[in-house]
Amino acid sequence: NAGVTQTPKFRILKIGQSMTLQCTQDMNHNYMYWYRQDPGMGLKLIYYSVGAGITDKGEVPNGYNVSRSTTEDFPLRLELAAPSQTSVYFCASSRRNSGAFFGQGTRLTVV
Amino acid sequence: EDQVTQSPEALRLQEGESSSLNCSYTVSGLRGLFWYRQDPGKGPEFLFTLYSAGEEKEKERLKATLTKKESFLHITAPKPEDSATYLCAVQAGNDYKLSFGAGTTVTVRA
Repeated sequence: NAGVTQTPKFRILKIGQSMTLQCTQDMNHNYMYWYRQDPGMGLKLIYYSVGAGITDKGEVPNGYNVSRSTTEDFPLRLELAAPSQTSVYFCASSRRNSGAFFGQGTRLTVV
Repeated sequence: EDQVTQSPEALRLQEGESSSLNCSYTVSGLRGLFWYRQDPGKGPEFLFTLYSAGEEKEKERLKATLTKKESFLHITAPKPEDSATYLCAVQAGNDYKLSFGAGTTVTVRA
């Protein structure tokens, strides 16, 4: 049972480039989340989804987009990367009213 | 907007020295409060869910409690392997976003 899988683990982007961070879960969870974590800081919610076809903004959605076409997958799209998007990105999934399970993270550097 | 505040920011303990971490919250209609452990370079690891005031959960040297305004994570006779950042999160109201506090970094010296 793989749980929540994120790819890639590391990536360096140039300013203005775009990329998609992949997240897939095999636990049949309806709820999925994207967070960013800056050094020494807590987790900030970017986007979340309560099921296929349904997404909603979190605290810091600007510069990001998401889609949820299947229960398993919840990719995060960065358009026109900026240095302020340098961070560690975590994807998580959960059942209703239950603890979330996190992936191992994607460490992104924008230069 | 949901507010989750954790204190202290950092805690240094001697092995065997018990202590408590605090998570205070200001939300409308708490659905659940969650505790996580995060090791450096790793994703958060789920520890406990608490749903209502008075509820308690235990796992090894950790015990989580919940009141109407705050939660405590008690660490009893900690060992160096308990060193980590402990995060608290809440779900409230009619949506299912999970809001986190900034965490408490615990260091246990042998």
